[in-house]
Amino acid sequence: QVQLQESGPGLVKPSQTLSLTCTVSGGSISSGSYYWSWIRQPAGKGLEWIGRIYTSGSTNYNPSLKSRVTISVDTSKNQFSLKLSSVTAADTAVYYCAREPWFPIWGQGTMVTVSS
Amino acid sequence: QSALTQPPSASGSPGQSVTISCTGTSSDVGGYNYVSWYQQHPGKAPKLMIYEVSKRPSGVPDRFSGSKSGNTASLTVSGLQAEDEADYYCSSYAGSNNVFGTGTKVTVL
Repeated sequence: QVQLQESGPGLVKPSQTLSLTCTVSGGSISSGSYYWSWIRQPAGKGLEWIGRIYTSGSTNYNPSLKSRVTISVDTSKNQFSLKLSSVTAADTAVYYCAREPWFPIWGQGTMVTVSS
Repeated sequence: QSALTQPPSASGSPGQSVTISCTGTSSDVGGYNYVSWYQQHPGKAPKLMIYEVSKRPSGVPDRFSGSKSGNTASLTVSGLQAEDEADYYCSSYAGSNNVFGTGTKVTVL
């Protein structure tokens, strides 16, 4: 079955850009009527939807993060990626990738700490 | 967009039922039949329990049920079991965006 795996640096300096990749295995990222999202969760807090990308390349972003977020897709590698610019300590969280609709499939999550 | 409002905690004894509310607005919960619910155990990724307000994915026990009235959706867990102790989050489509609830910690007494 389809599985998702996040990868990327676990430590990012303040003001720099956080970059994560989600690799889709067990199926093609382009098959079916699916779209692909990033979600984050600060320690001890709730879930926050960051944004999504369709395999056509069109995107939707959380309005509160829109100015700093870019989500892209590489269908040849079966991957999609997240870039979050100008990070601060408030961006420290576990970052998940997930398939939509309904988020039935999630990656295991990757912890990203923003610290100098 | 603001997070959907959930009670911070809920509890029940084994075998009892617990209902969790999820309150939004006409721009999210009330405007679409696209509410979903997730169960999250500590250190784990969330698991989909209910989608499209009341549909259960394959493998989710029928003890879990969902409903909606106006701007408020609800998740009911009947016949509580020890393994149901977890955090629960609702989510709703919000017109090209998605919004999650604040989360509810369910304790099995």
